[in-house]
Amino acid sequence: DADVTQTPRNRITKTGKRIMLECSQTKGHDRMYWYRQDPGLGLRLIYYSFDVKDINKGEISDGYSVSRQAQAKFSLSLESAIPNQTALYFCATSDFRGNVDEQYFGPGTRLTVT
Amino acid sequence: SQQGEEDPQALSIQEGENATMNCSYKTSINNLQWYRQNSGRGLVHLILIRSNEREKHSGRLRVTLDTSKKSSSLLITASRAADTASYFCATVLGGSNYKLTFGKGTLLTVNP
Repeated sequence: DADVTQTPRNRITKTGKRIMLECSQTKGHDRMYWYRQDPGLGLRLIYYSFDVKDINKGEISDGYSVSRQAQAKFSLSLESAIPNQTALYFCATSDFRGNVDEQYFGPGTRLTVT
Repeated sequence: SQQGEEDPQALSIQEGENATMNCSYKTSINNLQWYRQNSGRGLVHLILIRSNEREKHSGRLRVTLDTSKKSSSLLITASRAADTASYFCATVLGGSNYKLTFGKGTLLTVNP
């Protein structure tokens, strides 16, 4: 089984709808991240969490919220989806071992907002 | 703004040739990492080089780091069609212990 899983893998939704993307990990890592990827722009950090009680905004958090329900689960919500949130979304985890933040990525969720 | 910028944006080579990708960054770093992404899939960590290191090897990968020029290069030797992917550098800023900042990537195509 994959260490970092994301659900759903693909989602088409309409403008104004609320949508939640979920991430689960079996790696036992404390740190979890949400990124979005747009063509030609690389990955941009939306939110990150260093433990269950810690939530931090990334560079593009507007229009998104997150919930860290447990060490293994980190969900991303779009309260009112808009078309420019159409993108590929990735969850990642790390354990910051040896002062190094090597990240492990999920397979991604392709979100289309019409 | 991007901390790391890869060059070239795209690279096409024949199987067996070497591929070199470069990454430049703007501010001092703690470490620099290279990741690979096969089309539409999650990123996979390839190799990490710390700011006090100059060169590292892993299999067919060789990474160099020049902190005076704020640049790194990734060399893939004897490339294979399976190496076709996008390659991203990611930096961790000096003084911080989190938040990788990714570049926009180099798309490598290895033709059989």
